[in-house]
Amino acid sequence: AQRVTQPEKLLSVFKGAPVELKCNYSYSGSPELFWYVQYSRQRLQLLLRHISRESIKGFTADLNKGETSFHLKKPFAQEEDSAMYYCALRGDDYKLSFGAGTTVTVRA
Amino acid sequence: EAQVTQNPRYLITVTGKKLTVTCSQNMNHEYMSWYRQDPGLGLRQIYYSMNVEVTDKGDVPEGYKVSRKEKRNFPLILESPSPNQTSLYFCASSLLRENTEAFFGQGTRLTVV
Repeated sequence: AQRVTQPEKLLSVFKGAPVELKCNYSYSGSPELFWYVQYSRQRLQLLLRHISRESIKGFTADLNKGETSFHLKKPFAQEEDSAMYYCALRGDDYKLSFGAGTTVTVRA
Repeated sequence: EAQVTQNPRYLITVTGKKLTVTCSQNMNHEYMSWYRQDPGLGLRQIYYSMNVEVTDKGDVPEGYKVSRKEKRNFPLILESPSPNQTSLYFCASSLLRENTEAFFGQGTRLTVV
């Protein structure tokens, strides 16, 4: 079975402050990890995938297989980063499982 | 434009009245799935399909049916809706390939009274 845990439901930070969203997973095989974002009144869209190892909108995420984590980080939060963020895991059967989500609010 | 389209966007219905939410994608994706999004629970998979005429249960399939007669369409059917199926529903599609992105529809907000 595959499982994704996002321990924080809500995260509030000031503009310009660092933000880190935690994600832990449980999976016996080799997982594919993703971060999806849902801005207000918009559909979910891909933010990052672990295989790309790239920075998108200033966000980065590193897959730590030892700690089974895939935390999302941004050094300087912007107001437009306010959104719901979902960590997701795809297993060998292509099933995409999501965490409960973290709502991020960036205050001016 | 490559996209996943759901209809309707909003629906209020009464308990027991059969309804169908349509989902269509124009990207020739093999994999399609339905999720429901509930506060504090995130997205939970209802059903998925890996190709035409191939469907299987997800994590919360009770009370739902699906069909995949054509590659582009994957309707979600509620034969006898109940109030606990009040939720926000998302359809998604992707290629059957490693590390590919899932594309989501706009969502359907269903209220069962």
